Amino acid sequence: DGGITQSPKYLFRKEGQNVTLSCEQNLNHDAMYWYRQDPGQGLRLIYYSQIVNDFQKGDIAEGYSVSREKKESFPLTVTSAQKNPTAFYLCASSVTGRETQYFGPGTRLLVL
Amino acid sequence: KNEVEQSPQNLTAQEGEFITINCSYSVGISALHWLQQHPGGGIVSLFMLSSGKKKHGRLIATINIQEKHSSLHITASHPRDSAVYICAVAAGGGADGLTFGKGTHLIIQP
Repeated sequence: DGGITQSPKYLFRKEGQNVTLSCEQNLNHDAMYWYRQDPGQGLRLIYYSQIVNDFQKGDIAEGYSVSREKKESFPLTVTSAQKNPTAFYLCASSVTGRETQYFGPGTRLLVL
Repeated sequence: KNEVEQSPQNLTAQEGEFITINCSYSVGISALHWLQQHPGGGIVSLFMLSSGKKKHGRLIATINIQEKHSSLHITASHPRDSAVYICAVAAGGGADGLTFGKGTHLIIQP
């Protein structure tokens, strides 16, 4: 079955620790996205990538980093510089030049 | 930057009622999405439209490009329709991500 997988479903971070959220897709999509969702707010774009080895900052990139070494994978690292990391993180993908985005199940990050 | 407003923020209705959720945006777009988010958090794309009207089962989505407004309708609502419905817009080709509304939390009571 084609789709997007995110792991883990829940992730706990200690103060000062970097954590990496996984996003994998087997849809052969060129574009991938990371969004953050906070209670009472709309999803906000963190980073996006339209092609392997290239990515751009979204609206709230500070404190996050990404890589795109493979078409299928777009991991997001939440660094210690992100002072308020507790949120629900969603990964999405789409065929570049088209606009339907397909979403993964999400990862909920909690700070201990 | 596009501003996306949804109304109402919360809606509780009885089973069988006709439901309407509204979305307005501030800047011209290439497409508008309606998404559904269930309590577990996963998001499903319901519609993508750039003009006119689309229908899928009991769901109908309309868009008026001139007025920068879209509506999502649910006919013969059912408790399983309870979810958060999110409007999102794409500018240009959409490859640089979507701009989202805050969502409408819908509860259908039996």
